[in-house]
Amino acid sequence: QQQVKQSPQSLIVQKGGISIINCAYENTAFDYFPWYQQFPGKGPALLIAIRPDVSEKKEGRFTISFNKSAKQFSLHIMDSQPGDSATYFCAAAKHGGSEKLVFGKGTKLTVNP
Amino acid sequence: NAGVTQTPKFQVLKTGQSMTLQCAQDMNHNSMYWYRQDPGMGLRLIYYSASEGTTDKGEVPNGYNVSRLNKREFSLRLESAAPSQTSVYFCASSVQARGTDTQYFGPGTRLTVL
Repeated sequence: QQQVKQSPQSLIVQKGGISIINCAYENTAFDYFPWYQQFPGKGPALLIAIRPDVSEKKEGRFTISFNKSAKQFSLHIMDSQPGDSATYFCAAAKHGGSEKLVFGKGTKLTVNP
Repeated sequence: NAGVTQTPKFQVLKTGQSMTLQCAQDMNHNSMYWYRQDPGMGLRLIYYSASEGTTDKGEVPNGYNVSRLNKREFSLRLESAAPSQTSVYFCASSVQARGTDTQYFGPGTRLTVL
């Protein structure tokens, strides 16, 4: 059972455009939603994370939008740059629990110059 | 401060051969993890160690064994490699084995089994 479903699998955006990656979860106990960014040949690294007490979190050009009722969250990359080309993983976890972080299958983003 | 280091970076094995992937972290983290990454499959947890002296199975443990050698080091062993184990392997660490703790990943080991 895939606990976190991520879409699309791949995404091509022009420089300056908005990149949007969506994730949906089933387990209502999840209350921590991070996004990891992975550049080619590197390991993933935490990009930004949100807890459900807020509907949106912004860090620079990266914004997480969270819809608790729909059990969905998304990553928006504004003014996308070629340097943003990477694979992005959404994930989910339960605060305070020992359950492991559950990852989506990833989205490969390509930003064309 | 190197973070999480992994050796080797690349490895080619023949079916049936054995090998050990090494991982070390210098962040004084209690918890360490081994993942495999396959195209379209995302990151799948193989084994983890919540603290020194403990190890537990993850989502895909079959065909692998692990050893938490000390607080810094966590190794992954393939006793009899199979082509299905061709993958990129990532080691990660976190302060504790809580889902909300940031995981820090190493650069990966690209393994090909012929």
